[in-house]
Amino acid sequence: GAVVSQHPSWVICKSGTSVKIECRSLDFQATTMFWYRQFPKQSLMLMATSNEGSKATYEQGVEKDKFLINHASLTLSTLTVTSAHPEDSSFYICSANPGGPDTQYFGPGTRLTVL
Amino acid sequence: SQQGEEDPQALSIQEGENATMNCSYKTSINNLQWYRQNSGRGLVHLILIRSNEREKHSGRLRVTLDTSKKSSSLLITASRAADTASYFCATGGSNYKLTFGKGTLLTVNP
Repeated sequence: GAVVSQHPSWVICKSGTSVKIECRSLDFQATTMFWYRQFPKQSLMLMATSNEGSKATYEQGVEKDKFLINHASLTLSTLTVTSAHPEDSSFYICSANPGGPDTQYFGPGTRLTVL
Repeated sequence: SQQGEEDPQALSIQEGENATMNCSYKTSINNLQWYRQNSGRGLVHLILIRSNEREKHSGRLRVTLDTSKKSSSLLITASRAADTASYFCATGGSNYKLTFGKGTLLTVNP
């Protein structure tokens, strides 16, 4: 149990295009999901907290108009990278919280390459 | 911002040896968690230790937590080549967010 999926697992796009990444909790409901970004050989940086039915909360320095987050249901959150540029190339990982402070289940990540 | 700081940044050992990684943090926490990440892959949750616990075991893993020093250690005993990965500590606060450390790259040579 407690599986989180991400789609796609990798994507290559041209500069200026938008890319949508999905994060799904497959066997539990998640009122809160988190989006992280990881550059090569670096740690995970929290980008935003996504709450079902409300606006996402972005970490300092993360552009909310560039990284659009939608948490339309208790099992799905999406991250859209708008007008992507090569510097947005990164590994994007989501996690889902079924409730309580202890537990987050992580997705397998999506590798975005912007040409 | 990165709260956790792991050391060493990289560790290379021989199969069968023990590996110890340390993590320090700055603010008060509810829990501290350790994760493993194989190159280019997602995170695997290893162990969680709550702020009122001092030591926890899981198989070949032993985690200690010293809240007075704001530090934790992860010990992997009898290491295997398959343990080669990056290891991250993450601190959890009251807002359910996790703050990750910079990680330790462990290489276990066969």
